Amino acid sequence: EIVLTQSPGTLSLSPGERATLSCRASQSVSSSNLAWYQQKPGQAPRLLIYGASSRATGIPDRFSGSGSGTDFTLTISRLEPEDFAVYSCQQYGSSPCTFGQGTKLEIK
Amino acid sequence: QVQLQESGPGLVKPSQTLSLTCTVSGGSVNSGSYSWSWIRQPAGKGLEWIGRISSTGSTNYNPSLMSRVTISVDTSKNQFSLKLSSVTAADTAIYYCARAWDWYYYYFDYWGQGALVTVSS
Repeated sequence: EIVLTQSPGTLSLSPGERATLSCRASQSVSSSNLAWYQQKPGQAPRLLIYGASSRATGIPDRFSGSGSGTDFTLTISRLEPEDFAVYSCQQYGSSPCTFGQGTKLEIK
Repeated sequence: QVQLQESGPGLVKPSQTLSLTCTVSGGSVNSGSYSWSWIRQPAGKGLEWIGRISSTGSTNYNPSLMSRVTISVDTSKNQFSLKLSSVTAADTAIYYCARAWDWYYYYFDYWGQGALVTVSS
């Protein structure tokens, strides 16, 4: 199965700053079949990005995804207070689909 | 608006079978190309996909759990269910049901709120 490694484990930033989160796959993810989720304490994950770069319905354009092959990035252009949460990547290019361990984005 | 809701016992004894049901509202489990998955998350850890079922009843399981997992669908009740046998403390987690866009592009666009299942005697 494909192992996804996210970095950094924790990212401390201030509102208004730019956040760059990384997701690296142990082998190439076919057809850029990679998604990003946001999860807040006590809540289910929320789909942000699919197909590596397509925003899900209702997701603000400050969230963007990029990458292909084994290296993918989620960028939040200007952090809002509600963006501080845990972010996870998921590959669905091969079965079983797998998730990264998450990056915690915390307020500095 | 599609909504999913997990239900089932919150406490299961070791070696017994964990059973959960996901009730879907605002949509049908046998419409379109959607697939329906179970995903779990131990406390403080990442997400683990357990398996899925299509609207026609085809299933696909995570090899790490395949020997213990059964997922089924009841179209008359608009529900799908998870059974996980021979549970141990390592199966303690929040269990989510989720809808995937389709069988091949299975990213998850709708999730239930999650059900905490504790395995303990």
